[in-house]
Amino acid sequence: KAGVTQTPRYLIKTRGQQVTLSCSPISGHRSVSWYQQTPGQGLQFLFEYFSETQRNKGNFPGRFSGRQFSNSRSEMNVSTLELGDSALYLCASSPGLAGGPRGNEQFFGPGTRLTVL
Amino acid sequence: GQNIDQPTEMTATEGAIVQINCTYQTSGFNGLFWYQQHAGEAPTFLSYNVLDGLEEKGRFSSFLSRSKGYSYLLLKELQMKDSASYLCAVSPRGETGTALIFGKGTTLSVSS
Repeated sequence: KAGVTQTPRYLIKTRGQQVTLSCSPISGHRSVSWYQQTPGQGLQFLFEYFSETQRNKGNFPGRFSGRQFSNSRSEMNVSTLELGDSALYLCASSPGLAGGPRGNEQFFGPGTRLTVL
Repeated sequence: GQNIDQPTEMTATEGAIVQINCTYQTSGFNGLFWYQQHAGEAPTFLSYNVLDGLEEKGRFSSFLSRSKGYSYLLLKELQMKDSASYLCAVSPRGETGTALIFGKGTTLSVSS
């Protein structure tokens, strides 16, 4: 199976702009979660989508939003970019169902490195 | 609230054994994960514990005590390639949500 793919891999934007990141999960996986990773805060959960519905949400401002399409591909959008939004944005996919020998194991994509100038 | 603590950095030498501890306080518990992340790469799954006890997988083992909110990852026969960040993560919900709450990671440096 192909792994999780994310595009673009690198992005440079300026303050005030908006950005859209894309994630294609592993075939058959219905859950996509987004995380922000920074040196100071580590990996922080943004939101999770399952079958086109947002199922969980972390503590991020409304500037961060996302959606999921019928083929399970997901996008996240950040509006009115701030310098502090510079981070590695990781997408993770999972089957989305409880149980199993590895629980709700998440498979991570390579990430999108966003730099805000 | 949700809180996961692990040491920021650890150092060890090749061939040694190292134990990385993780303590957690979360609203609900649906399993604890350990991930490995090499610099510039995506996190990769190492282990999963949902019941108390030790899970052994080759050179890596993971232990869980739910009553103490405590886990550790044990790495044996350390190799240089084990130099990486090790992330402890908890699935806090009892339902089927797959969101994970991560600690800030422990950077392990293995020297010869």
